Amino acid sequence: DQQVKQNSPSLSVQEGRISILNCDYTNSMFDYFLWYKKYPAEGPTFLISISSIKDKNEDGRFTVFLNKSAKHLSLHIVPSQPGDSAVYFCAASADSNYQLIWGAGTKLIIKP
Amino acid sequence: DTGVSQNPRHKITKRGQNVTFRCDPISEHNRLYWYRQTLGQGPEFLTYFQNEAQLEKSRLLSDRFSAERPKGSFSTLEIQRTEQGDSAMYLCASSLAGGGQSTEAFFGQGTRLTVV
Repeated sequence: DQQVKQNSPSLSVQEGRISILNCDYTNSMFDYFLWYKKYPAEGPTFLISISSIKDKNEDGRFTVFLNKSAKHLSLHIVPSQPGDSAVYFCAASADSNYQLIWGAGTKLIIKP
Repeated sequence: DTGVSQNPRHKITKRGQNVTFRCDPISEHNRLYWYRQTLGQGPEFLTYFQNEAQLEKSRLLSDRFSAERPKGSFSTLEIQRTEQGDSAMYLCASSLAGGGQSTEAFFGQGTRLTVV
């Protein structure tokens, strides 16, 4: 049973436009959510996080939105740049637990 | 380079052989994690250390797997009697624990294991 789901295996976006990556979760105990970016042959790199007490967190071009009632979060990247092409993973943890539960990832392709 | 370091980067081994991977975390980080990632999936939690204590092991970690962090610094992950199903990317991560808050984990580049 996948507790964290990223239903889009890939997403293609024009450079300069907004990229929206989605993530759904089933465990209502999750209280901390993170987005990681991964380039080929590298480990995941932390991008941005959000606590369940917030519904939005912004860091430069990256904004994460959390909708607890829908158990849904999204990552917005605007404007999208070619260097943003990577696989994006959504991860969640419960009750400040150390263990992250990961989605399967969405491959983002930014077209010039 | 002060990031998480993993060695080797790649390992090809014959089925039945033992392999050992090493992870050097960021020096001030007291938490260390091992994850496994297969193609098309996100990382799956294997085990976790706080300092030298192994506090949790996933059901994925069969008795052929053992991890140590003897001095609370580097860690090793050993797989005995490797099977083809063990082929995966093994990721190590570290983080700084504090105040009960989850903090982001920093990952190494991983060790890609291929069992032939």
